[in-house]
Amino acid sequence: AQKITQTQPGMFVQEKEAVTLDCTYDTSDPSYGLFWYKQPSSGEMIFLIYQGSYDQQNATEGRYSLNFQKARKSANLVISASQLGDSAMYFCAMRELGGYQKVTFGTGTKLQVIP
Amino acid sequence: KAGVTQTPRYLIKTRGQQVTLSCSPISGHRSVSWYQQTPGQGLQFLFEYFSETQRNKGNFPGRFSGRQFSNSRSEMNVSTLELGDSALYLCASSLGSLSYNEQFFGPGTRLTVL
Repeated sequence: AQKITQTQPGMFVQEKEAVTLDCTYDTSDPSYGLFWYKQPSSGEMIFLIYQGSYDQQNATEGRYSLNFQKARKSANLVISASQLGDSAMYFCAMRELGGYQKVTFGTGTKLQVIP
Repeated sequence: KAGVTQTPRYLIKTRGQQVTLSCSPISGHRSVSWYQQTPGQGLQFLFEYFSETQRNKGNFPGRFSGRQFSNSRSEMNVSTLELGDSALYLCASSLGSLSYNEQFFGPGTRLTVL
């Protein structure tokens, strides 16, 4: 069964600094996808970045990059040059390829950017 | 391209009533998933539909049900509402149900049960 663990309930980061949000996962399926979502206080979940289990390179999308370490089963999100608008909840998620698997979400990390 | 829309955005009901929430996915998306989000339990998966068939179901009582129409629009129904059903209900659509299909979420329906 797939499982996602986010061990940081909350984090603070200074504006313009980089921050890493941790995510570890557990799966026995060799084929899976990893996702990160941002949820501002308004409530809407915003897709940020995707990493496939067979992707050779770490995914990047603008200021977001995913530090994918397959052997350690970790998929940490790195936000560079933090902005005040980055303050939000961040969720790591995974879906296995085998069968019709649901998307499993972690418990989230609340990031607060300090001016 | 229009995003995922959910109606209504806010809803207040009393215990014992039933409620129907609606979700219109992004055009061309055939998969719709529903989630319940509460401060105590986090984001919990309710069910997923693909081409009018329920593909997955979470651990919720039978009071929670859903369906998907031929145009991919989906509805979820909660009968005999309880106080604990107060939550933000999120709908997400994706092209398919494969591991690389990212989900796009709607703004949610905030349900309050009094």
